[in-house]
Amino acid sequence: LAKTTQPISMDSYEGQEVNITCSHNNIATNDYITWYQQFPSQGPRFIIQGYKTKVTNEVASLFIPADRKSSTLSLPRVSLSDTAVYYCLVGDMDTGRRALTFGSGTRLQVQP
Amino acid sequence: KAGVTQTPRYLIKTRGQQVTLSCSPISGHRSVSWYQQTPGQGLQFLFEYFSETQRNKGNFPGRFSGRQFSNSRSEMNVSTLELGDSALYLCASSLEVPSGGRTDTQYFGPGTRLTVL
Repeated sequence: LAKTTQPISMDSYEGQEVNITCSHNNIATNDYITWYQQFPSQGPRFIIQGYKTKVTNEVASLFIPADRKSSTLSLPRVSLSDTAVYYCLVGDMDTGRRALTFGSGTRLQVQP
Repeated sequence: KAGVTQTPRYLIKTRGQQVTLSCSPISGHRSVSWYQQTPGQGLQFLFEYFSETQRNKGNFPGRFSGRQFSNSRSEMNVSTLELGDSALYLCASSLEVPSGGRTDTQYFGPGTRLTVL
């Protein structure tokens, strides 16, 4: 299983762009990169998923370089409600082979 | 569409007892996975079920077991509880899409907070 490394915590202010980078040096060919957001006492919530280059949805962007050994979650113009723990998850998402282990996560604190 | 539901939300047990947790996936989802979350170990994969069959299993002792019913609902059981089993147990469901480049996103429930005294 690919192991991920993320910063333990980050601080930001409302309205700023936040970039959280995840390292996954031993990512396998079939592995996808997925990011989840988790609030206290809640289950993780899917944010975005990608395989290579750039993926964008209504809440975030995911940048993946050509070697795929790292990825960066970009949150544009964060608000106080974005204060949460963010998990980078790397694994084979194809059904039948999934046995996913999350990293330790990045605690994002957004201040006014 | 209703999300993943888990019952009970909170549970207190004593060492040596056993516990059963329940998970109802999103309607139409056929795959259910279970995770244990603790402050020290983070989120760890327990097992995954599809069509009433266990497909994958994490590195947990045999005291942890599960099953899936024909309606895709799933239960997990922990026997002979230990203090270290205190955790948030999360269930996630996914649609089960065909492979060949497509992925299968998991959607998590709110979890069951188990406290072992």
